[in-house]
Amino acid sequence: GIQVEQSPPDLILQEGANSTLRCNFSDSVNNLQWFHQNPWGQLINLFYIPSGTKQNGRLSATTVATERYSLLYISSSQTTDSGVYFCAAVNYGGSQGNLIFGKGTKLSVKP
Amino acid sequence: EAGVTQFPSHSVIEKGQTVTLRCDPISGHDNLYWYRRVMGKEIKFLLHFVKESKQDESGMPNNRFLAERTGGTYSTLKVQPAELEDSGVYFCASSQDSIGLFFGEGSRLTVL
Repeated sequence: GIQVEQSPPDLILQEGANSTLRCNFSDSVNNLQWFHQNPWGQLINLFYIPSGTKQNGRLSATTVATERYSLLYISSSQTTDSGVYFCAAVNYGGSQGNLIFGKGTKLSVKP
Repeated sequence: EAGVTQFPSHSVIEKGQTVTLRCDPISGHDNLYWYRRVMGKEIKFLLHFVKESKQDESGMPNNRFLAERTGGTYSTLKVQPAELEDSGVYFCASSQDSIGLFFGEGSRLTVL
């Protein structure tokens, strides 16, 4: 099955800094999502982005499907951005909801 | 609009007991999914309902796990009898069309 690898595993930022999180996947995908798990454990849907670029406030994401990677950009980071960011993908031709999750990037934003 | 809701948020039971987790999807979402994250491991798919039918249950670990979605609305996931390795967080998600999955807050299960 598809492999999803995220980097870096841990990231510490000063408030106001920018960051880029990376997600590599081993095969073609028909679904790719980015999630933020907040300190209370809730998985927040950030982007549904099997290809192209999307922006939502200080966050944006780009997926280059032909090169099998996706990037999540966080600009002007805030302490509330802390938590674990997960990338999850579905193999092309696979069941849409059978997401394969990466191990996540743990982000800590210091005041 | 209410999101995906799960109950209970945390359950502590003893090995051998039974636990039933409930998920209410976003209203109008035909697709409902169960995932879980056990200690130290990645979040893994368990199964997928389309309305009341099981579309894909390839991720269910064994026959101690039973998922139902009577009437195509809310879903329950029963673990009977619970084992220590079942401890973890059980997530429910729902979706409609190809817009991605929306997850609930999860139900944390601790088996002692």
